[in-house]
Amino acid sequence: QKEVEQNSGPLSVPEGAIASLNCTYSDRGSQSFFWYRQYSGKSPELIMSIYSNGDKEDGRFTAQLNKASQYVSLLIRDSQPSDSATYLCAVRVGPGKLIFGQGTTLQVKP
Amino acid sequence: GAVVSQHPSRVICKSGTSVKIECRSLDFQATTMFWYRQFPKQSLMLMATSNEGSKATYEQGVEKDKFLINHASLTLSTLTVTSAHPEDSSFYICSARASGGTNEQFFGPGTRLTVL
Repeated sequence: QKEVEQNSGPLSVPEGAIASLNCTYSDRGSQSFFWYRQYSGKSPELIMSIYSNGDKEDGRFTAQLNKASQYVSLLIRDSQPSDSATYLCAVRVGPGKLIFGQGTTLQVKP
Repeated sequence: GAVVSQHPSRVICKSGTSVKIECRSLDFQATTMFWYRQFPKQSLMLMATSNEGSKATYEQGVEKDKFLINHASLTLSTLTVTSAHPEDSSFYICSARASGGTNEQFFGPGTRLTVL
């Protein structure tokens, strides 16, 4: 069974710090990876997608992918209290079909 | 663009009744829609993949006779929870994949179902 693993947290960081969120996946053939942010009671919103090994930066967010280690991470620089949410890692396992990790709750303390 | 709506946003029903949830892509055509369920403090679990004009594909462990899915047009899919019970209380979220090209999924705002 294809799995996506995340530490549920909570991960607590002070405002302005770097938050590092990690995810591992079991399907070595996976090619597409996504990070979603979900606020309590809301549906997920896409933050980043990454398809190639290495880093991909978008504003304060950097996604990192290492297919050999089956590892994908999300770095949030200059964390803000508004970044406090649950971050879901998702892996595409079929045409449009995503498998989600359990999510990591991030708390950014003012 | 790429807006997906769900209706209702919140529903409370008595045990044994059926509840229908609608998922609409407002500004694009979606050949494929996905239905997820999310229990408190847990992640999204894919229930089924809905393709326009054909039968839905259900994930292992999801009862197709209990969760009826209809994808009658390129902009509308419905999920009907039949004979709902308290254990069906959950947050139901749909997503839609645009026809032709990008594989990106666009999520609806979700429906909170409470079965008394």
